[in-house]
Amino acid sequence: NAGVMQNPRHLVRRRGQEARLRCSPMKGHSHVYWYRQLPEEGLKFMVYLQKENIIDESGMPKERFSAEFPKEGPSILRIQQVVRGDSAAYFCASSADRGITEAFFGQGTRLTVV
Amino acid sequence: QKEVEQNSGPLSVPEGAIASLNCTYSDRGSQSFFWYRQYSGKSPELIMFIYSNGDKEDGRFTAQLNKASQYVSLLIRDSQPSDSATYLCAVKGTSGTYKYIFGTGTRLKVLA
Repeated sequence: NAGVMQNPRHLVRRRGQEARLRCSPMKGHSHVYWYRQLPEEGLKFMVYLQKENIIDESGMPKERFSAEFPKEGPSILRIQQVVRGDSAAYFCASSADRGITEAFFGQGTRLTVV
Repeated sequence: QKEVEQNSGPLSVPEGAIASLNCTYSDRGSQSFFWYRQYSGKSPELIMFIYSNGDKEDGRFTAQLNKASQYVSLLIRDSQPSDSATYLCAVKGTSGTYKYIFGTGTRLKVLA
């Protein structure tokens, strides 16, 4: 039973390019959460999605960032026109439902903007 | 007030000692609480979760929850150098969307 899969593991983008991060949840999980982590800092919530729905995007910057979780395929976090401040580790987690259940993390995508 | 607060540390304990990690939260309606371990450069790994008042034990780890005091802790018995990591406390929110809210983590150093 594969865990949460994220790709790519490392992504380098030049300023102004687009970054596209993918997350496939654990089998049987339909809830996906995206977090951003800067070096030596905690996990900052970005967005919570269920299949085809954004449940909570209160942590997403209003501009340049978007997320989706289509009926088929992985969840995608998209960052348009990246800037150096977007450099961080982006983690995806999944859970089975919205109740008292644990979330499991993927290995993360390290984004570097040059 | 932060939603989930942890002392950033570092907390240094000698090998074989008990490490005690603490976490407080602000949402009184929170129902489930999680401890994750994160090694430098790696992703968070779930250690255990708790949702009832009292203690929950799993091997060398014990989670303690006191909802009245809005306090959750993690005890690590017989600490090993391999336990040296950052420990993240997470609370599953109840106000609206049930997302997991993390503290900034406590860095633990176990000295050999």
